[in-house]
Amino acid sequence: AQKVTQAQTEISVVEKEDVTLDCVYETRDTTYYLFWYKQPPSGELVFLIRRNSFDEQNEISGRYSWNFQKSTSSFNFTITASQVVDSAVYFCALSEETDQAGTALIFGKGTTLSVSS
Amino acid sequence: DAGVIQSPRHEVTEMGQEVTLRCKPISGHDYLFWYRQTMMRGLELLIYFNNNVPIDDSGMPEDRFSAKMPNASFSTLKIQPSEPRDSAVYFCASSFWDTIYFGEGSWLTVV
Repeated sequence: AQKVTQAQTEISVVEKEDVTLDCVYETRDTTYYLFWYKQPPSGELVFLIRRNSFDEQNEISGRYSWNFQKSTSSFNFTITASQVVDSAVYFCALSEETDQAGTALIFGKGTTLSVSS
Repeated sequence: DAGVIQSPRHEVTEMGQEVTLRCKPISGHDYLFWYRQTMMRGLELLIYFNNNVPIDDSGMPEDRFSAKMPNASFSTLKIQPSEPRDSAVYFCASSFWDTIYFGEGSWLTVV
């Protein structure tokens, strides 16, 4: 069965600190997709990144970076030099491939990140 | 391009009333999803459609919930009769291939 675990419920940091959000997943499929979404206080869910199971390259986008390790079934998210605007709930999610990639997502419980100035 | 559009954004209704939430997916997307978010249960998939056909409704909590997708550009989620425990944020999302995009959510309060 699919499962996504975000063990960190809440994290508090001070601006400019680096922070890593952990995500561990379980799946029996060899082909799957991993996602991160951001939910700011306004409530919408914002897509951040998608990774397929065959691409273990780390990705960097500005202050954001993602580390995908199949050996440990982890897909961790690091924010470098955090800012107050990064305060949000961050969700890791998994979908397994059926006849078309990207069917229904299974979400973790989310990590609430609070960045103070 | 416009994103996923949901209405209403906020609704307060009395227990027992019918609630209809509406969703317009992104044009060209062939999958549509309804999710519910609560503090206790997090984000839960209720139902999803492919090419307007319901594929999996196992997440629909009970018969009071129903969803339809009469065409590729419109879907509804109906709760009848509504109960206080239905209070949640209901998200509609759509996808084509591998990335699911969410609407801004409909915040439902049943009093």
